Amino acid sequence: SQWGEENLQALSIQEGEDVTMNCSYKTYTTVVQWYRQKSGKGPAQLILIRSNEREKRSGRLRATLDTSSQSSSLSITGTLATDTAVYFCATNMGYKLTFGTGTSLLVDP
Amino acid sequence: GPKVLQIPSHQIIDMGQMVTLNCDPVSNHLYFYWYKQILGQQMEFLVNFYNGKVMEKSKLFKDQFSVERPDGSYFTLKIQPTALEDSAVYFCASSSLTGGRDTQYFGPGTRLLVL
Repeated sequence: SQWGEENLQALSIQEGEDVTMNCSYKTYTTVVQWYRQKSGKGPAQLILIRSNEREKRSGRLRATLDTSSQSSSLSITGTLATDTAVYFCATNMGYKLTFGTGTSLLVDP
Repeated sequence: GPKVLQIPSHQIIDMGQMVTLNCDPVSNHLYFYWYKQILGQQMEFLVNFYNGKVMEKSKLFKDQFSVERPDGSYFTLKIQPTALEDSAVYFCASSSLTGGRDTQYFGPGTRLLVL
């Protein structure tokens, strides 16, 4: 598998809390992407971070990439109930995206 | 933002029948993809299509599967014949650059149930 087993988890938090989700990958990649998938919908890209970037921010989101440990994280500050979703990291391999198993995040209002 | 449409949203068919899943990709995109997601599991790549050709496919893309985009119309995934294990949600995606280096835009999925 492309992904380490620690990628599979479920989190339940209260609205307003901050949360960090992690993933690790096994094979070389130049790009890590984070996607969010809400119930009954297709995935939507949140952040794309390249191997020459250690950190990238977008609004309340912050992604990090550590190529030496082949790991990435996605942090959300001040979570909202609407952040409830499954969050996937994905790497590019040739023409395809390879997704991790995801983190199911439940934000209670 | 750019939208990918998928038709139908749900499909129930009997095992052995043929099914065609339709995708209307983002208008100026050149690369098209199908992914398969079984309930509760991760999304898995099936196939990538560009310039009328399959560029890459996974082992999940069985001989019973085929893709085409005739004359710039829908990008389709055909399964003939279907098997029980084909029950899943199939997502279409499109992008304007090769592979994952650019954003892939996903449709809402077609939920296929094979009985």
